[in-house]
Amino acid sequence: DAKTTQPPSMDCAEGRAANLPCNHSTISGNEYVYWYRQIHSQGPQYIIHGLKNNETNEMASLIITEDRKSSTLILPHATLRDTAVYYCIVRASNRDDKIIFGKGTRLHILP
Amino acid sequence: DSGVTQTPKHLITATGQRVTLRCSPRSGDLSVYWYQQSLDQGLQFLIHYYNGEERAKGNILERFSAQQFPDLHSELNLSSLELGDSALYFCASSVGGGVPYEQYFGPGTRLTVT
Repeated sequence: DAKTTQPPSMDCAEGRAANLPCNHSTISGNEYVYWYRQIHSQGPQYIIHGLKNNETNEMASLIITEDRKSSTLILPHATLRDTAVYYCIVRASNRDDKIIFGKGTRLHILP
Repeated sequence: DSGVTQTPKHLITATGQRVTLRCSPRSGDLSVYWYQQSLDQGLQFLIHYYNGEERAKGNILERFSAQQFPDLHSELNLSSLELGDSALYFCASSVGGGVPYEQYFGPGTRLTVT
């Protein structure tokens, strides 16, 4: 079973910020939060990851709550090209890194 | 373009056959991961190799096997194929052996078993 819970779908207006939530209430201290997205049937694309601090890169921002039980991926100015399935996963920093993708959130950007 | 290449792009074969999927990681990446994505199962982790050594195994069937060669390319062998093996197969590479490194995915191989 996936270690994360995400809403199955979300809509966002083009040009607005898209805020995608992820619940990972059973996360342990050595687990990182990663976000990927998959556009249609292309290979998933890495977006961002973090351990406990908030992170920002050229694609997105990742906000992790203080208790680390949930996080939010923020796409600051969504465009139609951001329409995709977004996956939030947790990965442990050990050798037996069995990566579990859940069903993700299907984000629709509305023109 | 992630820099990860996979061949072939499409493969159509019959039940009971054996196929080999190939993955070339990004230059400098030591890890290769294999995933299966079917319509009803989502993205499933199969296996991870780091610098030629198996690191982690997911839900990989006994009919499937993989290896990573000294030049770091990897092959996924699928044998005694069944209709249910029809899926997209992705490989991903990363520079390190796990977190905190990010994975870069290839374009996938679409396998159709008839």
